[in-house]
Amino acid sequence: DAGVTQSPTHLIKTRGQQVTLRCSPKSGHDTVSWYQQALGQGPQFIFQYYEEEERQRGNFPDRFSGHQFPNYSSELNVNALLLGDSALYLCASSSLMTGGFMTQYFGPGTRLTVL
Amino acid sequence: AQTVTQSQPEMSVQEAETVTLSCTYDTSESDYYLFWYKQPPSRQMILVIRQEAYKQQNATENRFSVNFQKAAKSFSLKISDSQLGDAAMYFCASHTGTASKLTFGTGTRLQVTL
Repeated sequence: DAGVTQSPTHLIKTRGQQVTLRCSPKSGHDTVSWYQQALGQGPQFIFQYYEEEERQRGNFPDRFSGHQFPNYSSELNVNALLLGDSALYLCASSSLMTGGFMTQYFGPGTRLTVL
Repeated sequence: AQTVTQSQPEMSVQEAETVTLSCTYDTSESDYYLFWYKQPPSRQMILVIRQEAYKQQNATENRFSVNFQKAAKSFSLKISDSQLGDAAMYFCASHTGTASKLTFGTGTRLQVTL
């Protein structure tokens, strides 16, 4: 049973560029959430996708956008990168359909460095 | 709004001993879950244990158990027979029925010494 996978593992970009991060949920899960974890801090919620729609959004600017595909995988896009966007980006999956939506399982993360 | 507070930035325990990590939370909702996640240097956030608020019985998972005090809004994690592999950052988190997100504390770094 495959767990949550994310790609790429590491990414280095320069200010002003755009980046796309990818996530495949755990088998049987239909909901994907994205979190940003700055160094030395706990993860902060960016948004959640279910049925290809953004279900809820945290306190992040519109530069952060996402998408969910029919196979439940998801992308996180960040435009006009700032130095402060350097962080570990975590994807988590859960199952809204089976009622297990409160328990989220995390992928290994993507470490984004903005120079 | 939910808040989760971990007041111990760092803890240390000797191998084979027992350690307790503290967490307090605040929510006005009655339907919520509480979690402890472990984040080793590999960075992957691993679910350690889960407690449903409606359950009075404290959750246990092998060497890991919680002390859930609902009235005090306290949720501590006890690790028995500590092992070197338990060394990691431990995050306490809450999830309510009306929200889509986990709210995390600031974490406790656990060191395990020989």
